[in-house]
Amino acid sequence: GAGVSQSPRYKVAKRGQDVALRCDPISGHVSLFWYQQALGQGPEFLTYFQNEAQLDKSGLPSDRFFAERPEGSVSTLKIQRTQQEDSAVYLCASSFRDTPGETQYFGPGTRLLVL
Amino acid sequence: GNSVTQMEGPVTLSEEAFLTINCTYTATGYPSLFWYVQYPGEGLQLLLKATKADDKGSNKGFEATYRKETTSFHLEKGSVQVSDSAVYFCALSDRYSSASKIIFGSGTRLSIRP
Repeated sequence: GAGVSQSPRYKVAKRGQDVALRCDPISGHVSLFWYQQALGQGPEFLTYFQNEAQLDKSGLPSDRFFAERPEGSVSTLKIQRTQQEDSAVYLCASSFRDTPGETQYFGPGTRLLVL
Repeated sequence: GNSVTQMEGPVTLSEEAFLTINCTYTATGYPSLFWYVQYPGEGLQLLLKATKADDKGSNKGFEATYRKETTSFHLEKGSVQVSDSAVYFCALSDRYSSASKIIFGSGTRLSIRP
């Protein structure tokens, strides 16, 4: 079946603008994760959903970042009043369930550039 | 807290050379260990994993053994190809965290010369 998809693939925003990034996980996957990958670095955890419940948002860098998954499938990561330091690739991943060692499948990412 | 340290790149090798990328970890529990790979222009994909001590993960000629005594998970390949050029990330997930979020190392860029 289809993998994880994300849209848009690229987004250029002016500082102060709000953006919304979409993630379509693999059908039937319970767990959904968002990561932020700065240039030349490894991805860093932002937040986690189990179905529609946001169980961990400890990685969100500020209250300008907000994520939702209202029907337990598609998820949206919203960044309000974007800042230059928000420029990064935002990765979404899903897994069939949340058990130790479960493989997470990553989407291609959304590259956000804040000018 | 949990963390992963991997050798800095870039690493440049000739085709058919032996590859080792070192990775060590710090974890409070009993983590699962992963190697992810990011090919140019592509998304992050799982290369191999090991979920308990002494397990060996393998895929596409790559291998890594979960060594609890040395807290290491070094990636090896006996004969690299140009197509192996990519960024490699060592990572862990801790079963005792609230969710199986993955903690990544900073990545090692590998370039293979023909």
